[in-house]
Amino acid sequence: AQTVTQSQPEMSVQEAETVTLSCTYDTSESDYYLFWYKQPPSRQMILVIRQEAYKQQNATENRFSVNFQKAAKSFSLKISDSQLGDAAMYFCASFWDAGGTSYGKLTFGQGTILTVHP
Amino acid sequence: GAVVSQHPSRVICKSGTSVKIECRSLDFQATTMFWYRQFPKQSLMLMATSNEGSKATYEQGVEKDKFLINHASLTLSTLTVTSAHPEDSSFYICSARQERGTLYEQYFGPGTRLTVT
Repeated sequence: AQTVTQSQPEMSVQEAETVTLSCTYDTSESDYYLFWYKQPPSRQMILVIRQEAYKQQNATENRFSVNFQKAAKSFSLKISDSQLGDAAMYFCASFWDAGGTSYGKLTFGQGTILTVHP
Repeated sequence: GAVVSQHPSRVICKSGTSVKIECRSLDFQATTMFWYRQFPKQSLMLMATSNEGSKATYEQGVEKDKFLINHASLTLSTLTVTSAHPEDSSFYICSARQERGTLYEQYFGPGTRLTVT
């Protein structure tokens, strides 16, 4: 079974500064995917960034980037130039393809509430 | 990007009644749909996975007779909370998976807030 752990229940950052959210996971699979989702006050889940485990290069999406350390099973999210709109709950999640079918499912971490101060 | 809709966005029902929540993938076909439950400031808890044309697979501890899931077509799944009680009050989120080759993208609906009085 996969487990995902977010050890930071809450984080805060000043507008325009950089913040890093931590995530560790545990899996016995060799092929899997990792995600960061954002859930703003509207509660709509939004995909921020994804990382395929077989790719060594860290994924980047504009101000969002990850530090993927496969051996350490660590997957942190860095938000640069933080904006007020980044305030949300962030979830780290993992997924593995169950034998080539779509029956695999996302495993979510506990979430980190990010506050952005103006 | 792909869009998943949910209806209603919020519903209030009396204890003992049933309520149905619809989840639709608007611009793609979803062979697999998921239903989650979320309490305030907590993570999403998977309730069940449904595949079109087959029975849903429920997570351990989820009462299949209370939470009826039907995946009638490749674009529609419904969750019916039967004989609802105040403890069923929660935020319910559906999600639909789009498969493109070996790439799986999962999209989430906006959620339904259920209040049982």
